[in-house]
Amino acid sequence: NAGVTQTPKFRILKIGQSMTLQCTQDMNHNYMYWYRQDPGMGLKLIYYSVGAGITDKGEVPNGYNVSRSTTEDFPLRLELAAPSQTSVYFCASSYSKGETQYFGPGTRLLVL
Amino acid sequence: QKEVEQNSGPLSVPEGAIASLNCTYSDRGSQSFFWYRQYSGKSPELIMFIYSNGDKEDGRFTAQLNKASQYVSLLIRDSQPSDSATYLCAVNSRANQAGTALIFGKGTTLSVSS
Repeated sequence: NAGVTQTPKFRILKIGQSMTLQCTQDMNHNYMYWYRQDPGMGLKLIYYSVGAGITDKGEVPNGYNVSRSTTEDFPLRLELAAPSQTSVYFCASSYSKGETQYFGPGTRLLVL
Repeated sequence: QKEVEQNSGPLSVPEGAIASLNCTYSDRGSQSFFWYRQYSGKSPELIMFIYSNGDKEDGRFTAQLNKASQYVSLLIRDSQPSDSATYLCAVNSRANQAGTALIFGKGTTLSVSS
């Protein structure tokens, strides 16, 4: 099993550009999550999904969108990149709510 | 707002010593507790988890729960320089924060000197 995979590993965006961060898991987990982590600030939940077709906002959803058309994939969309979105983004998955979350390797995003 | 608090550190210990990391949580009904290790520039990886019914030992790592005082500790025996990382505590909260029910602390940075 590859676990949770994310692409790209690193990206530089200009202000106002758009991009999609990809996340795929092969563990047949129902729950998937997107976090951002700023230096010294811990993990902040952006969006999460409890299954295909079902998504909901987390703590910091503004400026982001998600979709979940399959169990395996949970892409995160940035529509109009802003410098405040410079961060490291982690995707995670778990079998059910409250259980161990397994993290992908992360995407480092720099918005200039 | 349910919270998980950790001392940011850094916690510095010499090689071979015991490192003790603590985490306090606010939801008295929490029933499962997780410790993740995160190396600089890497993603969090699970070290161990415990349920409210008892402590757990796994090799050099021991997780302990004090329900009365609402804190969880992680003990690392015979600390090695390779243990130098940030340790994240996560707690399952019945308060259902944003539906995930898993609340993360900001982490404690551990530095083991050789």
